[in-house]
Amino acid sequence: EDQVTQSPEALRLQEGESSSLNCSYTVSGLRGLFWYRQDPGKGPEFLFTLYSAGEEKEKERLKATLTKKESFLHITAPKPEDSATYLCAVNAGNNRKLIWGLGTSLAVNP
Amino acid sequence: DAGVTQSPTHLIKTRGQQVTLRCSPKSGHDTVSWYQQALGQGPQFIFQYYEEEERQRGNFPDRFSGHQFPNYSSELNVNALLLGDSALYLCASSLQGPEGYTFGSGTRLTVV
Repeated sequence: EDQVTQSPEALRLQEGESSSLNCSYTVSGLRGLFWYRQDPGKGPEFLFTLYSAGEEKEKERLKATLTKKESFLHITAPKPEDSATYLCAVNAGNNRKLIWGLGTSLAVNP
Repeated sequence: DAGVTQSPTHLIKTRGQQVTLRCSPKSGHDTVSWYQQALGQGPQFIFQYYEEEERQRGNFPDRFSGHQFPNYSSELNVNALLLGDSALYLCASSLQGPEGYTFGSGTRLTVV
């Protein structure tokens, strides 16, 4: 069964303290891995799509990487406004739906 | 450029009632997917509509039904509401598939 697991469940950082979030997946025929940011009570906001192992994408303080088994979301010198839940999702095989992890709740203290 | 618009933003219903949620996709998008997100959980796929037909369905009972109109907007209907249906209902639009999903802000449904 296709599965996505995110770790840690929650992470608290000091402003400027870099760290990484993990998304491991078990799927047949990965077609894409997606990272989203979600603020409380809001819909997910698209960050990145990764399609193949070795691919990397960057946006401001965020960098996403992909291997054959997992993806990392690296946060460099985070700011309090980066506080949110970060969700990982995959699309695989002939499926038209996204399979989601439970997310990592990130809090950045000033 | 308007993104995905969902209405209403909040809704309180009583057990056994029926509810209709509405979604207008992002301009240029032709595919609408609906997700249910319980508190502290990732979104769960309900179904996806394309060309006014349901293309794929998740593990949700028949109480959950939907519709897509010729202008690509969509409705989600839930009959015989249960307390467990309380959640944030998200609509996402895209072009023929999950790539580049744009989500609305969701409808918070509370069943009492």
